Amino acid sequence: DVKVTQSSRYLVKRTGEKVFLECVQDMDHENMFWYRQDPGLGLRLIYFSYDVKMKEKGDIPEGYSVSREKKERFSLILESASTNQTSMYLCASSPGQVGDTQYFGPGTRLTVL
Amino acid sequence: EDQVTQSPEALRLQEGESSSLNCSYTVSGLRGLFWYRQDPGKGPEFLFTLYSAGEEKEKERLKATLTKKESFLHITAPKPEDSATYLCAWFRDYKLSFGAGTTVTVRA
Repeated sequence: DVKVTQSSRYLVKRTGEKVFLECVQDMDHENMFWYRQDPGLGLRLIYFSYDVKMKEKGDIPEGYSVSREKKERFSLILESASTNQTSMYLCASSPGQVGDTQYFGPGTRLTVL
Repeated sequence: EDQVTQSPEALRLQEGESSSLNCSYTVSGLRGLFWYRQDPGKGPEFLFTLYSAGEEKEKERLKATLTKKESFLHITAPKPEDSATYLCAWFRDYKLSFGAGTTVTVRA
């Protein structure tokens, strides 16, 4: 079974703090993704990576950055958290071909006060 | 503009009452459509991928179909454990674009 794990299920941070969300997959997948999910808006892609040290902007990259130093690990960074970044963050991975199934982690519910 | 629209937003069913969820798309060159199930507070769980019009896939009480303009997820004789939000998504390159989902509640 594919397993995607995220470092925290719930996280509470203050405005202006630097926040790191970690994602690890154990299936040697090439591609990894970060989404945020908000009521009424569905899942929106923030960033994705198709190889180590490679990254591509998704649909809503503003206010976020990412890091992929190892194949199995993909980090999402909020340089200076703001209240409008309160959301559910979901990480996913896929094997490597276009159209491959994406497998999701359990999500991190981030609240920025 | 390419987009995916799911309807209805919410669906309340009695146990055993079959129904269908709709995912319509205005996407040029659709190359595949995914269905996921999401339980509250959890990540989406993969159900099906459909690649061409006329294709059908089944899993337990769920059956997904695809036409040139829409996809249906049919739930036959649902049980309370089928209560969840069902998401459809289409892919372009490496990315998925999701609809807002249909929340299904099945009452015993």
